[in-house]
Amino acid sequence: EAQVTQNPRYLITVTGKKLTVTCSQNMNHEYMSWYRQDPGLGLRQIYYSMNVEVTDKGDVPEGYKVSRKEKRNFPLILESPSPNQTSLYFCASSTRVNYEQYFGPGTRLTVT
Amino acid sequence: AQKITQTQPGMFVQEKEAVTLDCTYDTSDPSYGLFWYKQPSSGEMIFLIYQGSYDQQNATEGRYSLNFQKARKSANLVISASQLGDSAMYFCAMREFTGNQFYFGTGTSLTVIP
Repeated sequence: EAQVTQNPRYLITVTGKKLTVTCSQNMNHEYMSWYRQDPGLGLRQIYYSMNVEVTDKGDVPEGYKVSRKEKRNFPLILESPSPNQTSLYFCASSTRVNYEQYFGPGTRLTVT
Repeated sequence: AQKITQTQPGMFVQEKEAVTLDCTYDTSDPSYGLFWYKQPSSGEMIFLIYQGSYDQQNATEGRYSLNFQKARKSANLVISASQLGDSAMYFCAMREFTGNQFYFGTGTSLTVIP
């Protein structure tokens, strides 16, 4: 089954404790992206990647890191999480030519 | 400036009626794509419809159609014959093909009334 998976689905952590949210797709997509969703603000793009070893900042990259060492994986790293990073996070992927994005199920992160 | 503007935070529609959800966009890129996504209360993001900036015809997918007015920079979603299952949050989005960045609006919450 074609899908984008994210782990964990739910995470409660404390300020400053490094964490990684994994994202994996099995569709051989070139394009992968991370978003955060906050009430009243819609989805905002954090980082995106056009292919392996190619990443670019979206609208809200501060406080986040990403890497794209393999085509299927695009982890989101929070080196020192803060309460303002409490949010719902989505990973998504698409091909270069078909721009429909397939979304993962979301990761709800709470930073206390 | 906002790249995507959705001015209707909440909308109500009677079951079986049609409803239009508004979306305006702002870009100087001549090549771009416009998308609508549905997010039900369960939280997943569901792709509904896509319109390319060079497409001559308005996109349609079943009960969904996109009313694309390029000169006015609007990309309204029309849902015909609303069903109770259409109650959800709807997001308009744009991808600029020069930079490959995606922009989403703040969403419209649609409630279908029986």
